[in-house]
Amino acid sequence: NAGVTQTPKFRILKIGQSMTLQCTQDMNHNYMYWYRQDPGMGLKLIYYSVGAGITDKGEVPNGYNVSRSTTEDFPLRLELAAPSQTSVYFCASSYSGRKETQYFGPGTRLLVL
Amino acid sequence: DAKTTQPNSMESNEEEPVHLPCNHSTISGTDYIHWYRQLPSQGPEYVIHGLTSNVNNRMASLAIAEDRKSSTLILHRATLRDAAVYYCILRALTSGTYKYIFGTGTRLKVLA
Repeated sequence: NAGVTQTPKFRILKIGQSMTLQCTQDMNHNYMYWYRQDPGMGLKLIYYSVGAGITDKGEVPNGYNVSRSTTEDFPLRLELAAPSQTSVYFCASSYSGRKETQYFGPGTRLLVL
Repeated sequence: DAKTTQPNSMESNEEEPVHLPCNHSTISGTDYIHWYRQLPSQGPEYVIHGLTSNVNNRMASLAIAEDRKSSTLILHRATLRDAAVYYCILRALTSGTYKYIFGTGTRLKVLA
């Protein structure tokens, strides 16, 4: 199993540009999550999905959009990038249920200039 | 929201045990306590979790206070590879779904 994979690893965007961060998991997990981590801080939940076709907002959803058309993929879309979106983005997945642990991808480092 | 409080940083000598404390005074009865660690430039990785009883696995032990308002992650013999940021997280039910609420974590430095 590859686990959770994310692309790209690093990207520089200009203010106002758009991009999609890709996330794929091969563990047949129902739940998938997007987090952002600012320097020296813990992770904050942006969006999550409990299954294909179902998504919901986390703590910090403004400026982002998601879709979940398959179990495996959970892309994160940034429209009109702003410097405040400079961060490291982590995708994670888990089975459903309150005991289940999350498996994290390696992260995408995004710099908005 | 359920929150955790951890010291910003700790140091340990190699081969010695490390006790990483966490306070979670607002924990509810259904919240699991999870610990993750994050090595430099990597995503968080699972260490251990528990609800009420102490737990052991190959990586660490988790000691949970009787009132569940605090817990301690125990690394029995710290190695240089254990240097990381350790997050104590509550897996809390919010808006009908179980989610993680991360704090800022404890940065563990292991001295050779």
